[in-house]
Amino acid sequence: DADVTQTPRNRITKTGKRIMLECSQTKGHDRMYWYRQDPGLGLQLIYYSFDVKDINKGEISDGYSVSRQAQAKFSLSLESAIPNQTALYFCATSSSGGRNEQFFGPGTRLTVL
Amino acid sequence: GEDVEQSLFLSVREGDSSVINCTYTDSSSTYLYWYKQEPGAGLQLLTYIFSNMDMKQDQRLTVLLNKKDKHLSLRIADTQTGDSAIYFCAEMTGGYQKVTFGIGTKLQVIP
Repeated sequence: DADVTQTPRNRITKTGKRIMLECSQTKGHDRMYWYRQDPGLGLQLIYYSFDVKDINKGEISDGYSVSRQAQAKFSLSLESAIPNQTALYFCATSSSGGRNEQFFGPGTRLTVL
Repeated sequence: GEDVEQSLFLSVREGDSSVINCTYTDSSSTYLYWYKQEPGAGLQLLTYIFSNMDMKQDQRLTVLLNKKDKHLSLRIADTQTGDSAIYFCAEMTGGYQKVTFGIGTKLQVIP
């Protein structure tokens, strides 16, 4: 079984709809991240959480919110989706200290029409 | 601030060596990484180097770090078609261990 899972894997929605992307991990890591990937822009950090009570904005948090329901679960919400939020979204985890290797989920492809 | 730059595309013939280059701006980087993204998948750590090292070799992979020029490179010897992927350079900086990724270099291996 995968260590970092994301649901759904693909989603098509309409402008103005509320969308939630979910991430679960079995690695026991305390740190979790949400990124979006756009062609030619690489990975941009949306939000990150270093433990259940710690939530921080990344580079591009506008239009997004997150919830860390448990150490193993970190969800990303788009309150009112817009077309320029069409992208590939990745969840990642890491443990504190050391080389901070990040382990990525398989991604969610979101299309906003 | 942190900025990581790398070229978008590299094409090589199977069996040749590939060299993917990256420049970064933050001289306080502690770790520098190369992640690999295969089609339809998330990123996976390929290799990393600590900032007090100049070189690291791991089988077909050689990482070179030039701290003076803030330049990182990844050499893949005897490149295979299975090496076709997007390669991301990344650096870790700051007291809270922030990781900044480059835009990724797409490596195309021609049979």
